[in-house]
Amino acid sequence: KQEVTQIPAALSVPEGENLVLNCSFTDSAIYNLQWFRQDPGKGLTSLLLIQSSQREQTSGRLNASLDKSSGRSTLYIAASQPGDSATYLCAVWTGSARQLTFGSGTQLTVLP
Amino acid sequence: EAGVTQSPTHLIKTRGQQATLRCSPISGHTSVYWYQQALGLGLQFLLWYDEGEERNRGNFPPRFSGRQFPNYSSELNVNALELEDSALYLCASSLGTGGLTEAFFGQGTRLTVV
Repeated sequence: KQEVTQIPAALSVPEGENLVLNCSFTDSAIYNLQWFRQDPGKGLTSLLLIQSSQREQTSGRLNASLDKSSGRSTLYIAASQPGDSATYLCAVWTGSARQLTFGSGTQLTVLP
Repeated sequence: EAGVTQSPTHLIKTRGQQATLRCSPISGHTSVYWYQQALGLGLQFLLWYDEGEERNRGNFPPRFSGRQFPNYSSELNVNALELEDSALYLCASSLGTGGLTEAFFGQGTRLTVV
């Protein structure tokens, strides 16, 4: 059974700091990994999709890496801003599970 | 281009009643997924529909059911509502076969059971 873990559960940083969010998964036979952002009480916004054959993806100040063999992904946020405050979720699609399995998220607060 | 749309935004029901939640996928997307996010809990997979067929089902009782229509829109039905069914229900869609393309989520339906 695929299990996804995100560390830390919560993170508070001053504005302008670069930061890394971590995601690990137990079954490395994934099709892809997606990072999402969720604001309180809202839906999920897709940030980045990394296919299993890729090592990283970049979008603006965000960079996500994937090491499938070790079951790890990181989301790097450069020059954080208060507007980045949200919960960040990673999710993996595993063929055997036939679903997107989510981690419990990292709640990020960027202080002005 | 419109994203995934869900209706209603909020729904209040009494215990024992039935609730129907609706989802319209992004144009061209054939796969629709439903997730439950109870307060303080993570996203739990409910159902996956593709090309009108149920492809997978999460670990939920049979009173959670749904269907996908020929236009790929979908509805989730919850019968015999229980207090613990109160949650944010999220719908997502993707192109083609699940797992190969990016999933996009709607804003959710907040179901409150009283």
